[in-house]
Amino acid sequence: GESVGLHLPTLSVQEGDNSIINCAYSNSASDYFIWYKQESGKGPQFIIDIRSNMDKRQGQRVTVLLNKTVKHLSLQIAATQPGDSAVYFCAENRRSNAGKSTFGDGTTLTVKP
Amino acid sequence: DADVTQTPRNRITKTGKRIMLECSQTKGHDRMYWYRQDPGLGLQLIYYSFDVKDINKGEISDGYSVSRQAQAKFSLSLESAIPNQTALYFCATSEGQGRETQYFGPGTRLLVL
Repeated sequence: GESVGLHLPTLSVQEGDNSIINCAYSNSASDYFIWYKQESGKGPQFIIDIRSNMDKRQGQRVTVLLNKTVKHLSLQIAATQPGDSAVYFCAENRRSNAGKSTFGDGTTLTVKP
Repeated sequence: DADVTQTPRNRITKTGKRIMLECSQTKGHDRMYWYRQDPGLGLQLIYYSFDVKDINKGEISDGYSVSRQAQAKFSLSLESAIPNQTALYFCATSEGQGRETQYFGPGTRLLVL
């Protein structure tokens, strides 16, 4: 069946280093991808999105890369800070699914001081 | 004030009891969603509604029902709660019309004894 998955359930990085969180998806019709951040005790919050007609999008300290050939996207966080510690989810959408999102299981990012 | 609110934030109930979780939004969005999150896992879609007259089942609707009382209100009911419905429940909204970023409430932590 269709799935969205993250390669690693946990990631630990040193403060100040760059973090890379990966996500694979299975449906080649997926045309819109979103990264969410979920801090402890809160609901997921939007970080950055990318449409399938792009391969890179940058925000403030975050970059999303999309490789449609291998159905892979990544979230890069520059100069990781303690406040970046959270669970990160990727979600995919496609028009054939009426715009509903399918979420991956999440990667827990821990930033060590 | 938060754009998406959920009540109650925490609830303990007994097996067989009927409970209702409520969600309200001030974003003016037509689309609303209910998700369930189990520890270490992603979000599973229970029900979704694209407007007041539209209700659709998600991946795991068995044992749940919903009511869309108004554009701003979407409630989730467990008709007869069972222990494996112990989980974190999130309500979310989205604008639709190609804008599928979802905005989540703070969650309701439910324990069924």
